[in-house]
Amino acid sequence: EVQLVESGGGSVQPGGSLRLSCAASGYIVSDHHMDWVRQAPGKGLEWIGRTRNKYRGYTTEYAASVKGRFTISTDESQNSVYLQMNSLKTDDTAVYYCSRSPNGNIEDFWGQGTLVAVSS
Amino acid sequence: DIQMTQSPSSLSASVGDRVTITCRASQGIDNSLAWFQQKPGKAPKSLIYGTSSLQSGVPSKFSGSGSGTDFTLTISSLQPEDSATYYCQQYITYPFTFGPGTKLEIK
Repeated sequence: EVQLVESGGGSVQPGGSLRLSCAASGYIVSDHHMDWVRQAPGKGLEWIGRTRNKYRGYTTEYAASVKGRFTISTDESQNSVYLQMNSLKTDDTAVYYCSRSPNGNIEDFWGQGTLVAVSS
Repeated sequence: DIQMTQSPSSLSASVGDRVTITCRASQGIDNSLAWFQQKPGKAPKSLIYGTSSLQSGVPSKFSGSGSGTDFTLTISSLQPEDSATYYCQQYITYPFTFGPGTKLEIK
């Protein structure tokens, strides 16, 4: 059974950093692309980035709102994907989800989400 | 960026009804359109990808159609558990973008 479990959320001051983890089970994380999507309180869904699978060299894409501040990486040994978030702003306050995207498909499995709160 | 719009923004329907939600892209996206269901406090659930392909385990009461810029999600035989917000998403061009959502209430 495919499962994704996010962790690492919490409260942080503006300008601070957090690293979110997305631990995968039931499949090999390097075989599929992984997307990160966030949802600010009471708002809709916002796609923020993707890491492609190992066959595509783990190349990444980012939304303009996070480019240069957020970095997605993969650790095959941990079967996990990470979202490093630097220079956090209050607008980054949201629930962050990781989701698997197989070739030819999109975001078929999602984690439960982890809350990031940026405030002074 | 490709802008996605949805209509209506909310709707109310009765048990047993069939409803249709419309999603429009600001430019052609071929068939790279997905639909998601989200219930309050829960993660989104994938329903449809590639405009009309059902994700594994999704009941056939959900169906999608369209091409180019105009797409629809149809839900038949509505049940109370279908009450949720539904989002469309294009994934032909980065950044992938979601519609603003359609909130479905079951009377």
